[in-house]
Amino acid sequence: QVQLVESGGGLVKPGGSLRLSCAASGFTFSDYYMSWIRQAPGKGLEWVSYISSSGSTIYYADSVKGRFTISRDNAKNSLYLQMNSLRAEDTAVYYCARAHPIIAAARTFDYWGQGTLVTVSS
Amino acid sequence: DIQMTQSPSTLSASVGDRVTITCRASQSISSWLAWYQQKPGKAPKLLIYKASSLESGVPSRFSGSGSGTEFTLTISSLQPDDFATYYCQQYNSYPALTFGGGTKVEIK
Repeated sequence: QVQLVESGGGLVKPGGSLRLSCAASGFTFSDYYMSWIRQAPGKGLEWVSYISSSGSTIYYADSVKGRFTISRDNAKNSLYLQMNSLRAEDTAVYYCARAHPIIAAARTFDYWGQGTLVTVSS
Repeated sequence: DIQMTQSPSTLSASVGDRVTITCRASQSISSWLAWYQQKPGKAPKLLIYKASSLESGVPSRFSGSGSGTEFTLTISSLQPDDFATYYCQQYNSYPALTFGGGTKVEIK
């Protein structure tokens, strides 16, 4: 069955860095676009970044552009999010999510990980 | 970015009730709208895509409708497992995907 398992979250000071990982299994990872989506405590969902199946196409939300870098290693079935210059407003649960394979549902997300909490505080 | 506005923000209902949640887009998104269900401490679950298409495995008591700027999610007969928060997501404006603020369905 499809599994997405995030890791790498934790407490970091403002201005610091953190690298999140997402280990995928149960599907052919290299066939799927992937995304990071976050949720601040008690708040709604915010799309963060998107990467194509090959890694050649990448998009970021304006709120993280220039600070976050998404990448993937298809040989390791893994997705990453390098987060630099972290701010208090980046505090959130970060989910990795698989883009739906059906054309009509492309850019929706059919499988999500359990999330990893990133807390930015001094 | 396209803004998505959900109403109500909280809804109190009883088991067996018919429940309707509304999502409005700040500009037309055609039918490129999805609905998710999220329970506390859990990841969101996709229910509906393209405004009215039921995701595989989702009970038929869930249905979606609408196009353009106004959309609804209906639960025909609320079940105990349905108490959760529901989010809409537009995917017309790519790559700037945006979600609504959520509607919490709680027990009356």
